[in-house]
Amino acid sequence: DGGITQSPKYLFRKEGQNVTLSCEQNLNHDAMYWYRQDPGQGLRLIYYSQIVNDFQKGDIAEGYSVSREKKESFPLTVTSAQKNPTAFYLCASSKNSATNEKLFFGSGTQLSVL
Amino acid sequence: AQSVTQLDSHVSVSEGTPVLLRCNYSSSYSPSLFWYVQHPNKGLQLLLKYTSAATLVKGINGFEAEFKKSETSFHLTKPSAHMSDAAEYFCVVSGSSASKIIFGSGTRLSIRP
Repeated sequence: DGGITQSPKYLFRKEGQNVTLSCEQNLNHDAMYWYRQDPGQGLRLIYYSQIVNDFQKGDIAEGYSVSREKKESFPLTVTSAQKNPTAFYLCASSKNSATNEKLFFGSGTQLSVL
Repeated sequence: AQSVTQLDSHVSVSEGTPVLLRCNYSSSYSPSLFWYVQHPNKGLQLLLKYTSAATLVKGINGFEAEFKKSETSFHLTKPSAHMSDAAEYFCVVSGSSASKIIFGSGTRLSIRP
């Protein structure tokens, strides 16, 4: 089945620790996105990538980093500089970066601070 | 500049009655508009999208939405609610670039037996 796989489903971070969230897609999509979802709020864009080896900051990139070395993979690292990391993180992809393309979402990773 | 406002944070209806989830948008040009649904602890799934082909858009699971330019609205409706419709619904407006996909704050739909 084609789709987007996020792992792990639940992740706990200790003080001062960096953690990496995985996102893999087998849809052959060019564009990939990372969103943060807080309770009662819409999704906010952290980073996006329109093509391999290229990515841009979204609205709330501070404290996060990404890489796009392969078309299928777009991992997100939550660094120790992110002081309020507890949230639900969603990865998405689209065929290309045209804004009328539908987004396909993974099932999310819930990150909590110990 | 673009924005999207979902007018109700929570809507509760009885099973078998109509559903109306309200969305207003602001855009300086013809936008693409979407409705997505999110079941608890899951990713979002596209219900329907408007891209200027027709003002009445039909989606999955019996949902539809009407684009009204004069009212800058894109309300989501369904004639008869089902228990499985209970979820969070997001109205989305997209603009000139990938970074200009704006999500509303969501409407939680509850269905009473």
